[in-house]
Amino acid sequence: DIQMTQSPSSLSASAGDRVTITCRASQSIADYLNWYQQKPGKAPKLLIYAASSLQSGVPLRFSGSGSGADFTLTISSLQPEDFATYYCQQSYSAPQLTFGGGTKVEIK
Amino acid sequence: QLQLQESGPGLVKPSETLSLTCTVSGGSISSSSYYWGWIRQPPGKGLEWIGSIHYSRNTDYNPSLKSRVTISVDTSKNQFSLKLTSVTAADTAVYYCARRVPGDFWYFDLWGRGTLVTVSS
Repeated sequence: DIQMTQSPSSLSASAGDRVTITCRASQSIADYLNWYQQKPGKAPKLLIYAASSLQSGVPLRFSGSGSGADFTLTISSLQPEDFATYYCQQSYSAPQLTFGGGTKVEIK
Repeated sequence: QLQLQESGPGLVKPSETLSLTCTVSGGSISSSSYYWGWIRQPPGKGLEWIGSIHYSRNTDYNPSLKSRVTISVDTSKNQFSLKLTSVTAADTAVYYCARRVPGDFWYFDLWGRGTLVTVSS
């Protein structure tokens, strides 16, 4: 099974900060990596697919990069509505899909 | 606008079968090449993919759950369903239905609100 490890598991940041979240796969997954945002009590929302493609309607301050085993999600200027938990998801080994453990972004 | 809504019992006894339905509104479940899937999230924990189905009834399951899972589709009702047998407390979770975009990257672009299912006697 491909394991997905996110770091950090949580972080504190202020509005306007640049935030970077890392997702590492236990083996190379090319660019088969997607990112989601989840707010408390809500369903996840797709942000990025195929490592770097921005989902329609998602603000441009979100970006994804990486390939192989190491990936990053960057929020260029954190907004109040961005405080949430972020998950990566690999699909290289489909139909065995796995998610990372999540990164909680909290207000400093 | 397409919407998904989960429904089903919120409490299931251990060893019994969990049954949930997802109703798709605002569009036809069989009008495109999308897949329709289930993902769950135990309280306070991360996400786990369960499986997906196409309106043609082609299915894909998480190998770790495959022996206990059946996903079916009813195009006349614009619904798809999940059955999970022999449940235990470890199956307690919020269950989401979601739309999977066709292609190589297997991502979910539209989600229901989720429904909490508790396994307890």
